[in-house]
Amino acid sequence: DVKVTQSSRYLVKRTGEKVFLECVQDMDHENMFWYRQDPGLGLRLIYFSYDVKMKEKGDIPEGYSVSREKKERFSLILESASTNQTSMYLCASSTRTGELRGYTFGSGTRLTVV
Amino acid sequence: GEDVEQSLFLSVREGDSSVINCTYTDSSSTYLYWYKQEPGAGLQLLTYIFSNMDMKQDQRLTVLLNKKDKHLSLRIADTQTGDSAIYFCAESESSASKIIFGSGTRLSIRP
Repeated sequence: DVKVTQSSRYLVKRTGEKVFLECVQDMDHENMFWYRQDPGLGLRLIYFSYDVKMKEKGDIPEGYSVSREKKERFSLILESASTNQTSMYLCASSTRTGELRGYTFGSGTRLTVV
Repeated sequence: GEDVEQSLFLSVREGDSSVINCTYTDSSSTYLYWYKQEPGAGLQLLTYIFSNMDMKQDQRLTVLLNKKDKHLSLRIADTQTGDSAIYFCAESESSASKIIFGSGTRLSIRP
């Protein structure tokens, strides 16, 4: 069964901490995405990557960075966590052509910044 | 820019049909999707439709597309408690393009 795995289901971090959210996919997908999900706002794209070492800003990149050193792994970094970054974070992946299956999502990481 | 809109909540009685509606603004949308998110889980692709189709049926699910009005709907027949979830409408210009998601409709089932 193909999978997108997010390393933590729940995280609690302090304001100002540097936070790493990890995402690994085993489908050899080229594209990977990070979203945050907030009630009433749906999914908002933070960053995405179409290939190793490539990254593109999404709609809300401020306060975040990403790293893609290997094809299967896409990391989201909160340089200095703030309380307004408390949210559900979802990672997704897809093939370069999309293959009409849309995105495959991980189960999400619920981050609380206190 | 592109936008996808849907109502936030829908409540239906068990056994009735649920109809979740969505409107989108991008006339270049070629692929339209419905995703389901169960509590505590990520999103799962339920079904998709090409913009040159009017309807797609898959067991209890019926997707209707009115391209002229840029309106998409998802009908779930004989709604069950296991259908309780958030349903996201989404669109993309091509199978390789970024997918734009709506805000999600939370479907709750009452006995």
